Amino acid sequence: DAKTTQPPSMDCAEGRAANLPCNHSTISGNEYVYWYRQIHSQGPQYIIHGLKNNETNEMASLIITEDRKSSTLILPHATLRDTAVYYCIVRGLYNFNKFYFGSGTKLNVKP
Amino acid sequence: GAVVSQHPSRVICKSGTSVKIECRSLDFQATTMFWYRQFPKQSLMLMATSNEGSKATYEQGVEKDKFLINHASLTLSTLTVTSAHPEDSSFYICSANPTSSSINEQFFGPGTRLTVL
Repeated sequence: DAKTTQPPSMDCAEGRAANLPCNHSTISGNEYVYWYRQIHSQGPQYIIHGLKNNETNEMASLIITEDRKSSTLILPHATLRDTAVYYCIVRGLYNFNKFYFGSGTKLNVKP
Repeated sequence: GAVVSQHPSRVICKSGTSVKIECRSLDFQATTMFWYRQFPKQSLMLMATSNEGSKATYEQGVEKDKFLINHASLTLSTLTVTSAHPEDSSFYICSANPTSSSINEQFFGPGTRLTVL
């Protein structure tokens, strides 16, 4: 599986957009990009995933660069409850659905 | 959305005893479940893949005789930490991949905090 690199932490003002970057320069053609978040002492929560097109759901938007070597998760209007560790995961189609978590980005949403 | 539960949420045990943790998919069937371990301020580490009706597969460096996994039905997987020691104290999290899913997302349980005295 391709390795991912994320900044260890980011700050965001409440009500503003939070843009979380992820580098996955070794991604291969059949690998998907997934985003999960983990609020303190809870299990991870699914946010969004994509292959090569930009994706949007009720929680967030996912922008994947044309070369697929990086992506950005966008939380359009961050709230204090969005404070969490955000994980970007690259998963191959043929690795039996295993997820290998990197170190993630701690997003601190401040009032 | 799909819900995964874990029991117990917290357990404290004495060194040398065994502890069983249950992972259940409440509203879907899961042929495959996964077990992770998370130490404080660290990321989740995949321990093993639990397969219904067959033996679990373990990640490199994880002792299969130490961490016994049983996946007896399409909605239940159990992890037994045998002869637990203080270094086994950790947050154990399971996840399940719905058999019917077309996008292969995993749904995670709330985790079990194990403390070995």
